[in-house]
Amino acid sequence: AQSVAQPEDQVNVAEGNPLTVKCTYSVSGNPYLFWYVQYPNRGLQFLLKYITGDNLVKGSYGFEAEFNKSQTSFHLKKPSALVSDSALYFCAVRDMRVAGGGNKLTFGTGTQLKVEL
Amino acid sequence: AAGVIQSPRHLIKEKRETATLKCYPIPRHDTVYWYQQGPGQDPQFLISFYEKMQSDKGSIPDRFSAQQFSDYHSELNMSSLELGDSALYFCASSTGSYDGNTIYFGEGSWLTVV
Repeated sequence: AQSVAQPEDQVNVAEGNPLTVKCTYSVSGNPYLFWYVQYPNRGLQFLLKYITGDNLVKGSYGFEAEFNKSQTSFHLKKPSALVSDSALYFCAVRDMRVAGGGNKLTFGTGTQLKVEL
Repeated sequence: AAGVIQSPRHLIKEKRETATLKCYPIPRHDTVYWYQQGPGQDPQFLISFYEKMQSDKGSIPDRFSAQQFSDYHSELNMSSLELGDSALYFCASSTGSYDGNTIYFGEGSWLTVV
């Protein structure tokens, strides 16, 4: 079964510093990996995804993620954190069990990012 | 851009009552997913539909049922509600059968069972 792990429940970083939110995956075959962000009492917003191609993927709000096949990782990064980036971040992997559409995303347990002044 | 629309946004039900959640996918999206997120938890997959047919099924209780209609909107019916059903229910949609397509989520429906 496809799965992702987020080893950190919370990440604290000072505004202006670079941030990294970690994600590792376990899949059979090539992974389709996604990052979503959730603000309090809100829905999940898509940030970026890795399907194939360049290992460095750029997404919304200045976020990027690096796919590393040898380390089975897909860490989310941002060069300079903002207080407004404080939110809950989920890594997810697309299931490929069912042919013909409707394969679900399986989420990690989430990492709370706190950016302080 | 149009997003996934869920209704109602909030509802309060008593134990053993029934609740129905509605989801309107992004236009031209043919696939709908339902997720349940308990407090402080990650979203758990319930069920999905592709082209109005059930596609995948997760940890959906037998008390729950769902369907996707001819206009692609979907409804999640929950009966004999229990306190533990209190959660944020997300609907999401995507297009086509390609697994690389992005899945977009709605704002969720808050269900409180008292």
